[in-house]
Amino acid sequence: EIVMTQSPATLSVSPGERATLSCRASQSVSSNLAWYQQKPGQAPRLLIYGASTRATGIPARFSGSGSGTEFTLTISSLQSEDFAVYYCQQYNNWPHMYTFGQGTNLEIK
Amino acid sequence: EVQLVQSGAEVKKPGESLRISCKGSGYSFTTYWIGWVRQMPGKGLEWMGIIYPGDSDTRYSPSLQGQVTISADKSISTAYLQWSSLKASDTAMYYCARPGLVATLDYFDYWGQGTLVSVSS
Repeated sequence: EIVMTQSPATLSVSPGERATLSCRASQSVSSNLAWYQQKPGQAPRLLIYGASTRATGIPARFSGSGSGTEFTLTISSLQSEDFAVYYCQQYNNWPHMYTFGQGTNLEIK
Repeated sequence: EVQLVQSGAEVKKPGESLRISCKGSGYSFTTYWIGWVRQMPGKGLEWMGIIYPGDSDTRYSPSLQGQVTISADKSISTAYLQWSSLKASDTAMYYCARPGLVATLDYFDYWGQGTLVSVSS
């Protein structure tokens, strides 16, 4: 089973600053890595797929990088609407198919 | 416009059965997989399983196999998640989600609004 580990669990950042979230896979998932944003009371929203491709309508301040086992989500200049929980997900591994990280709570400093 | 519309919240007792639904519209229902994701109270996302409505090919998370049943009725473009005997630990929000690419087990591009299931005696 592929285990996805996100760090940190909570990240406190001021609006306008940069946020860097990490996701590590226990074995290589190639570039089959997605990032999701979830706000309270809402369904998750796809931000990034293929490790670095922004989904439709996602602002350019969101960027993803990495391959293999190490991945990063960067939000270049935090807006108030960006404070949420972020999950990474691998979609490379059969039979486990999909595995989510435990999430990073991005909170206002 | 692609939409996944889920059935409403449920309050059940332990041991009862339940089926919740997810109706797809705005796309060819039979040519995209539909998955189910669980979110227990205050916790993260957990993939449960996925079905291809075109031929009912179904895959389950190894940790959840046998605990739930996933099915689909392509005549009404609806996927289901079913329990035969609920436990208190099944209390969670359940989301259906669709991958972005046709016939591909891929990232989830579209999500339902969620169905809250509460199980308590």
